[in-house]
Amino acid sequence: QSALTQPASVSGSPGQSITISCTGASNDVADYNSVSWYQQHPGKAPKLIIYGVNNRPSGVSSRFSGSKSGNTASLTISGLQAEDEADYYCSSYTSSNTPHWVFGGGTKLTVL
Amino acid sequence: EVQLVESGGGLVQPGGSLRLSCAASGFTFSYYEMNWVRQAPGKGLEWVSYIYPSDSSIYYADSVQGRFTISRDNAKNSLYLQMNSLRVEDTAMYYCARVYRTSDGILRLDYWGQGTLVTVSS
Repeated sequence: QSALTQPASVSGSPGQSITISCTGASNDVADYNSVSWYQQHPGKAPKLIIYGVNNRPSGVSSRFSGSKSGNTASLTISGLQAEDEADYYCSSYTSSNTPHWVFGGGTKLTVL
Repeated sequence: EVQLVESGGGLVQPGGSLRLSCAASGFTFSYYEMNWVRQAPGKGLEWVSYIYPSDSSIYYADSVQGRFTISRDNAKNSLYLQMNSLRVEDTAMYYCARVYRTSDGILRLDYWGQGTLVTVSS
């Protein structure tokens, strides 16, 4: 039940694009398309923003997009806005050993 | 509107017990798999436990195996987490989260409650 690896922090100016990486193992990110991304503002619950690697739930801005290559998933936020400043977590479902979810350690996005 | 509302958190001494509840509404609870996920203060998310709709399958993180018990009452639209032998390191916000499984096998934790805070301290 190892965690996924994310950068601790990223930053960007309004209007710019940023990408957050999420590196897993061969038995989670690489093997499953159940990769999700969550946005969490301080004191709030996590909010699903990307699921199934590159799908957005209804109501989530098209500025958020996801991708995956091998054992690394990525979240890209284009046209950065002040309200994008938050913590972002990747997650992957895996049935390796027993079914469970693994999460990344989280990335703090600062909008300069 | 889907709603998940956790309760039952509080301050407990090491070695003590607590029972968390998650009240679900706005969807057919008995159809869905559910999870508990926790977040220690200032830390990241950690998966805790997973239960299928009919209790047919239950799974735990290694860190809580043997101490925590997940259960559900579909008639009451409620999810529970019985936490025994609590340790300082169990201090965290505990969230319940619904699993959405698509026909092609893609899973996601699509709705989360607001969380209930558990503090283990002497």
